[in-house]
Amino acid sequence: EAGVVQSPRYKIIEKKQPVAFWCNPISGHNTLYWYLQNLGQGPELLIRYENEEAVDDSQLPKDRFSAERLKGVDSTLKIQPAELGDSAVYLCASLRGSTDTQYFGPGTRLTVL
Amino acid sequence: GNSVTQMEGPVTLSEEAFLTINCTYTATGYPSLFWYVQYPGEGLQLLLKATKADDKGSNKGFEATYRKETTSFHLEKGSVQVSDSAVYFCAVARRDDKIIFGKGTRLHILP
Repeated sequence: EAGVVQSPRYKIIEKKQPVAFWCNPISGHNTLYWYLQNLGQGPELLIRYENEEAVDDSQLPKDRFSAERLKGVDSTLKIQPAELGDSAVYLCASLRGSTDTQYFGPGTRLTVL
Repeated sequence: GNSVTQMEGPVTLSEEAFLTINCTYTATGYPSLFWYVQYPGEGLQLLLKATKADDKGSNKGFEATYRKETTSFHLEKGSVQVSDSAVYFCAVARRDDKIIFGKGTRLHILP
């Protein structure tokens, strides 16, 4: 089966510009996660969706970050406006039903200049 | 809350050497434990997992045993290869909670 798909793989923008990342989870996976991974660190959760509902967004900086998963499949993560400190890799992961194993996409590497 | 502590890297070994990467965790209840691997420029890949005490996860020659008495999940491989060079992340999760990762251990294998 196809894995988690993310695009773009790389994005370079200037600060104060908006940026959006897209994720398509594995088919049939109802739970979707967005993680932030800073250089030399492990991923940290930004938001978790169960179908189209955001069930944990406590770590999402809501002043500039937003996410949506309108039909319970694909998801988009947006930053507006981007800051220098947002430079990182943004990972998407998905999980099926009552299992406990998350599958990760390749990530989007964001560089803010 | 849950947390994971893993040995800091980088770890540099010669090919065919024995590998151990230590990982300890704190968690409530009975979480599952994972090792993920991240090759350069790629996302995280599940390497192995264990879901209950004394379970041993294994894959590609790597092994780790869920030790509840020592709250540990150390990763081992008997003979490493250059292709094993990557960053390894230990993680803990329950189904109804988020996954918590360690900071990662970078492994360099010299030919």
